[in-house]
Amino acid sequence: ETGVTQTPRHLVMGMTNKKSLKCEQHLGHNAMYWYKQSAKKPLELMFVYSLEERVENNSVPSRFSPECPNSSHLFLHLHTLQPEDSALYLCASSPLSGGYRGTDTQYFGPGTRLTVL
Amino acid sequence: GDSVTQMEGPVTLSEEAFLTINCTYTATGYPSLFWYVQYPGEGLQLLLKATKADDKGSNKGFEATYRKETTSFHLEKGSVQVSDSAVYFCALSGETGNQFYFGTGTSLTVIP
Repeated sequence: ETGVTQTPRHLVMGMTNKKSLKCEQHLGHNAMYWYKQSAKKPLELMFVYSLEERVENNSVPSRFSPECPNSSHLFLHLHTLQPEDSALYLCASSPLSGGYRGTDTQYFGPGTRLTVL
Repeated sequence: GDSVTQMEGPVTLSEEAFLTINCTYTATGYPSLFWYVQYPGEGLQLLLKATKADDKGSNKGFEATYRKETTSFHLEKGSVQVSDSAVYFCALSGETGNQFYFGTGTSLTVIP
């Protein structure tokens, strides 16, 4: 497989469930990102990992918990979500070299469409 | 702080019409500028980019020129096709700092 893959593509969960989103990049990149895309709102950057270290956390509620076990994999663990968390969650990666600069092109996965009931 | 302002949609055009989607930015220093496209049910795909003033990015018949004097990066295509129907996002990556800034997206529908 090439590029950035995300699983599952669709997820429906209740507010008391615990689930995880998975992202995998096959591009040899060093940085990975989670974004939230809600209808009629700008893309919201949630988390950034550079060389497996979290470098950005944009005031995201603690019911979202990221994990980056290695440079190719990124997870978003979900628990006790709210209906307003329903959105498309996008993962991206970028080919940084020598640390996080924020100027490299980001490559996106297809997203996970999350519905919280 | 850095930001991107993008033309609001939706935009509806007939096939073979000329397309312009406006994008202006606010940033310190010399950001890189991008256009991404999102087709229905998919993630964002890089369409084109420019990394310095006066650079022109181009791909699939789309073009955008990095204009520092007007802080703009407008997307253009001379003759749109039905397959160009998608949402287009302008974005910038700052020279310093650690974030991408996206516009709100412009939905384009091309009708035969």
